[in-house]
Amino acid sequence: QVQLVASGGGVVQPGGSLRLSCAASGFTFNNYGLHWVRQAPGKGLEWVAFIRFDGTLTYYADSVKGRFTISRDNSKNSLYLQMSSLRPEDTAVYFCARHGVAAATYYFDFWGQGTLVTVSS
Amino acid sequence: QTVVTQEPSFSVSPGGTVTLTCGLTSGSVSTNYYPSWYQQTPGQAPRTLIYSTNTRSSGVPDRFSGSILGNKAALTITGAQADDESDYYCAMYMGSGVWVFGGGTKLTVL
Repeated sequence: QVQLVASGGGVVQPGGSLRLSCAASGFTFNNYGLHWVRQAPGKGLEWVAFIRFDGTLTYYADSVKGRFTISRDNSKNSLYLQMSSLRPEDTAVYFCARHGVAAATYYFDFWGQGTLVTVSS
Repeated sequence: QTVVTQEPSFSVSPGGTVTLTCGLTSGSVSTNYYPSWYQQTPGQAPRTLIYSTNTRSSGVPDRFSGSILGNKAALTITGAQADDESDYYCAMYMGSGVWVFGGGTKLTVL
């Protein structure tokens, strides 16, 4: 069955860095685009970043542009999010999500369990 | 900057029908925004319900349906059940590699 398992969260000081990982299984990883979506405590969902199936195209929300980098290693079935210059408002559960594979669809078709990032001094 | 709007809360009686909506602060929602809908219970990952306005995701019962109503996207739940009590989020593809979620609707079944 499809699985996306996020890890790497923790407590980090403002201005610090952290790298999240998402291990995928149960599907052909290099056929799918992938997203990171976050949810601040008690708040709604916020799209963070997208990477194309082959890693050649990335998009970012304005709130993280220039600070976060999404990447993937198709040989390891893994997705990453390198976060730097972290701010308290980046505190959230970070979910990895699979992009729908059908042509001309723009949605998140499967979600993994998230990992909590807390930015605090 | 365009914001995606949802009702903060809604309630429905067991067995009843409820329609949640998803709009834009500027302009009308159309199929060109590829609206999608997600269900989330506390502490859990979201579950995909509807994509591309009205296509049900695999395994989603047909009492969940999506549509465009007027100038908004809509999620209709018919025959509401107790375990439909959840938060519901819509998302839109704004083009140019940008996705935006609505603020979510907390649905109570009572």
